[in-house]
Amino acid sequence: DMKVTQMPRYLIKRMGENVLLECGQDMSHETMYWYRQDPGLGLQLIYISYDVDSNSEGDIPKGYRVSRKKREHFSLILDSAKTNQTSVYFCASSLGVNQDTQYFGPGTRLLVL
Amino acid sequence: GDSVTQTEGQVALSEEDFLTIHCNYSASGYPALFWYVQYPGEGPQFLFRASRDKEKGSSRGFEATYDKGTTSFHLRKASVQESDSAVYYCALGMNYNQGKLIFGQGTKLSIKP
Repeated sequence: DMKVTQMPRYLIKRMGENVLLECGQDMSHETMYWYRQDPGLGLQLIYISYDVDSNSEGDIPKGYRVSRKKREHFSLILDSAKTNQTSVYFCASSLGVNQDTQYFGPGTRLLVL
Repeated sequence: GDSVTQTEGQVALSEEDFLTIHCNYSASGYPALFWYVQYPGEGPQFLFRASRDKEKGSSRGFEATYDKGTTSFHLRKASVQESDSAVYYCALGMNYNQGKLIFGQGTKLSIKP
């Protein structure tokens, strides 16, 4: 059963704290993604990872960094979180790159106070 | 640049009604087209995909036909159920886009029992 998992599912942090969001997939997919979703703005791409240690900025990378040390695992890091980073974060994965189907995780709801 | 337009922001129907959600795209090449569904509190779920003219994608009673002439990929279902209430996203992927999908703004479908 193809699956993308995300941990934690809910998180409350104070402004200035560091945040680590974790994503895993069991499909041996090469490519992984981080998105955020805000009301009225749809899905916005933060980062793409094409394989281990091969990451590329998406459309809104500012304030975020990523880490991929194993193919099945992709982390999103917020150094010194800001209140405007309150959002729902989705991880996704795809087998390859171009025109491949992306499979999404259940999301992490982050509140930065 | 490439884009996806969903003309309906919200659609309200009764059970057993016929559904059409319009999706039109603009792209300079030959995109792959996707439909995703997102239920409240969950991540987007892949419905189906089509990648060539006149190809039909289908899943769970939903279907759409890739039409290069009208640059459309409209989602249809013959008889909706209350459980179909969700947000539906049309998306396109290009072979030069380094894995990025371009999503429409989404259509919220509400079904009255």
